[in-house]
Amino acid sequence: GEDVEQSLFLSVREGDSSVINCTYTDSSSTYLYWYKQEPGAGLQLLTYIFSNMDMKQDQRLTVLLNKKDKHLSLRIADTQTGDSAIYFCAESRNGQNFVFGPGTRLSVLP
Amino acid sequence: NAGVTQTPKFRVLKTGQSMTLLCAQDMNHEYMYWYRQDPGMGLRLIHYSVGEGTTAKGEVPDGYNVSRLKKQNFLLGLESAAPSQTSVYFCASSSWTGSYEQYFGPGTRLTVT
Repeated sequence: GEDVEQSLFLSVREGDSSVINCTYTDSSSTYLYWYKQEPGAGLQLLTYIFSNMDMKQDQRLTVLLNKKDKHLSLRIADTQTGDSAIYFCAESRNGQNFVFGPGTRLSVLP
Repeated sequence: NAGVTQTPKFRVLKTGQSMTLLCAQDMNHEYMYWYRQDPGMGLRLIHYSVGEGTTAKGEVPDGYNVSRLKKQNFLLGLESAAPSQTSVYFCASSSWTGSYEQYFGPGTRLTVT
């Protein structure tokens, strides 16, 4: 079945850029998402990209998609302590069934 | 506009007991989902629904049942709880237009002893 993989931990210094990576196996994925989960809360959508796009920028967030390698990345510029959270990559072929990665715990050090 | 709400927030069950988790959304979304979240495993889809009166199995449906009698509600039932069902349960809803963005509830922490 489909699978989504992410590294589990990332630490960066405040003010640096963070890059969170994700790989997926379903070549039919149409929608790819990045969600953020803060402690004790549900997931919130950060951004998404359609599979026919290579890049999407939204303020401090940049998403890059390499469809050939099935690789998705999320770059957070000027990382702040408030960005400390778990970040989930997810993919969907048809908007009905979603597959989530295990999440990357981002720690921002002062 | 409350978004997605879940009831209860916490619950402790003994093995063999039953319970129902309630999810409600006020965004008129067609799709609703139940996930469980376990450490290091991300979210796994239990069951989902693409409309009132319809349900479908996800990745880990065993031991759970669901019902969608009203568009705004999606119920998750555990008929005979087992310790392996100790987890955090999230409900989500989405529309079938645009990006299919999922809106998540705050979660229910269930412990089965």
